[in-house]
Amino acid sequence: GAGVSQSPRYKVAKRGQDVALRCDPISGHVSLFWYQQALGQGPEFLTYFQNEAQLDKSGLPSDRFFAERPEGSVSTLKIQRTQQEDSAVYLCASSAPPYEQYFGPGTRLTVT
Amino acid sequence: AQTVTQSQPEMSVQEAETVTLSCTYDTSESDYYLFWYKQPPSRQMILVIRQEAYKQQNATENRFSVNFQKAAKSFSLKISDSQLGDAAMYFCAYRSVNNMGANSKLTFGKGITLSVRP
Repeated sequence: GAGVSQSPRYKVAKRGQDVALRCDPISGHVSLFWYQQALGQGPEFLTYFQNEAQLDKSGLPSDRFFAERPEGSVSTLKIQRTQQEDSAVYLCASSAPPYEQYFGPGTRLTVT
Repeated sequence: AQTVTQSQPEMSVQEAETVTLSCTYDTSESDYYLFWYKQPPSRQMILVIRQEAYKQQNATENRFSVNFQKAAKSFSLKISDSQLGDAAMYFCAYRSVNNMGANSKLTFGKGITLSVRP
């Protein structure tokens, strides 16, 4: 079936704007992860959902970051009052535990 | 907390030759998973190979194999018969085993950029 999709692929935001990044996981995958990847670095964990429950949000860097998955399928990562340090690629991954995580193509966020 | 270290930022290999990418990790857990992921310029993270820590046999997938040394906490990736399409960033990653059936986050190294010379 279709893989993990993310939209938009690219987002440019002015400092202070709010942004919303969408992730469509593989159908039937109960686990969903968000990662942040700075330029030239490895991805870093942000948050984890199992169905609609957010079980781990320890990686969210500030209270400006908020994620939701209200119906246990599509997830949205929201960043309020964006700052330049938020510029990164945001990756979403889904899995049917305990198996591998499948990644989407990511959203490249640039804050100017 | 677990850490993953990839100390080589870049490597280059001649097409058809063999190259080994290094990775070390630190953990106090006895059971876990280790992975190598490939990330081409398209940014799509692709799983290359997986190793379960309880298995002594090294994993292999076609031209890709690992050298897993549990006591040394070392997990290197060998790519044989390198092809132009192997050029990408490669990330080593660690995942805990969750006995509750849930999933666990991946902890990644900083990655290594592999270039393949024609």
